[in-house]
Amino acid sequence: DVKVTQSSRYLVKRTGEKVFLECVQDMDHENMFWYRQDPGLGLRLIYFSYDVKMKEKGDIPEGYSVSREKKERFSLILESASTNQTSMYLCASSLERELSYNEQFFGPGTRLTVL
Amino acid sequence: DQQVKQNSPSLSVQEGRISILNCDYTNSMFDYFLWYKKYPAEGPTFLISISSIKDKNEDGRFTVFLNKSAKHLSLHIVPSQPGDSAVYFCAASGYSSASKIIFGSGTRLSIRP
Repeated sequence: DVKVTQSSRYLVKRTGEKVFLECVQDMDHENMFWYRQDPGLGLRLIYFSYDVKMKEKGDIPEGYSVSREKKERFSLILESASTNQTSMYLCASSLERELSYNEQFFGPGTRLTVL
Repeated sequence: DQQVKQNSPSLSVQEGRISILNCDYTNSMFDYFLWYKKYPAEGPTFLISISSIKDKNEDGRFTVFLNKSAKHLSLHIVPSQPGDSAVYFCAASGYSSASKIIFGSGTRLSIRP
């Protein structure tokens, strides 16, 4: 079974802090994704990566950056956290380079609160 | 501009009856559709998918129907069970979506005894 783990289930940070969210997958998947889930808005793609050191912007990349130094690990960085970044953050991975037709496997999520 | 729409934020169905969750899309280039299920405090899990070359795909109690002319798909759960209570996300992808999966806003399904 694919396992996607996220470093924290719950996180509380202050406005202006730099925040790191870590995600690790154990199935040698090519692609990794970061989403945020907000009520009424569903899952919105922040960034994704199809290879080590490669990254692509999703639909809402503003205020975020990412890092993928190793194939199994994909980090989401909030350079200066703001209250509108309070959300549930979900990491996902999928097996092959072709993104469209691949089932994505999700981690349990990190609920981030920015005060 | 939401390309994948789930217009019902919530649905309540009696145990044993059929649950029907609906999803509409606007991009005619979408050619692969998925349903994910999400329990509280867990990540979404893949449930069932359908390619645009089909109009129906069945997996046990779950059936997805695709109406390409109406740009509409639906998920049927028969019979509904208490463990089906969750949020269901419809998703779509295709060559015109820059190889990304686009998710809808979700429908919260509650199965009442």
